[in-house]
Amino acid sequence: TQLLEQSPQFLSIQEGENLTVYCNSSSVFSSLQWYRQEPGEGPVLLVTVVTGGEVKKLKRLTFQFGDARKDSSLHITAAQPGDTGLYLCAGARNNNDMRFGAGTRLTVKP
Amino acid sequence: DSGVTQTPKHLITATGQRVTLRCSPRSGDLSVYWYQQSLDQGLQFLIQYYNGEERAKGNILERFSAQQFPDLHSELNLSSLELGDSALYFCASSVGGHLSYEQYFGPGTRLTVT
Repeated sequence: TQLLEQSPQFLSIQEGENLTVYCNSSSVFSSLQWYRQEPGEGPVLLVTVVTGGEVKKLKRLTFQFGDARKDSSLHITAAQPGDTGLYLCAGARNNNDMRFGAGTRLTVKP
Repeated sequence: DSGVTQTPKHLITATGQRVTLRCSPRSGDLSVYWYQQSLDQGLQFLIQYYNGEERAKGNILERFSAQQFPDLHSELNLSSLELGDSALYFCASSVGGHLSYEQYFGPGTRLTVT
């Protein structure tokens, strides 16, 4: 069982649709990060959230950190084919434990 | 391009062998992290070094070891290789030593153990 559970595991949508992916845990994290990874490449950091209830926006992407710092969501508005990829959440507990979720594989069809 | 370099890009070796993966962090970054990514386990944090010292340890096997050199490059040594060690190995770097610092990932080394 993953410490960070991501859902859905797979998501296939049409261009222009909105979507939300989730990252949930029973543990509290001091910070949480979202990454996007394309095949054959390393993950690329999208955002870091550190405060419970924090909301960050990055163009069409909105990230939210739960009040209790146990969960997070990523909302994409008007998805584009270029958003296709594996979205990973990662949480730091204390300063000696970094965990990644299994990821949500998003496909946006033109 | 993240600025993190990893060599080699691909590595094929036999069971029981030993290999060394190399990572050069971004200019100015003091921390280096190693991760293993396999299809069934996802991305697993192995170990972190900060300015030459081990800072945090994750799910790193005893057969694996790492070090960070004075010029801040790092090497991950994998020994007594098993088929299950086949995976993508990523190195990441950050400017600070806390795990919440932004990490920049290299392109990875794909290890195949036959």
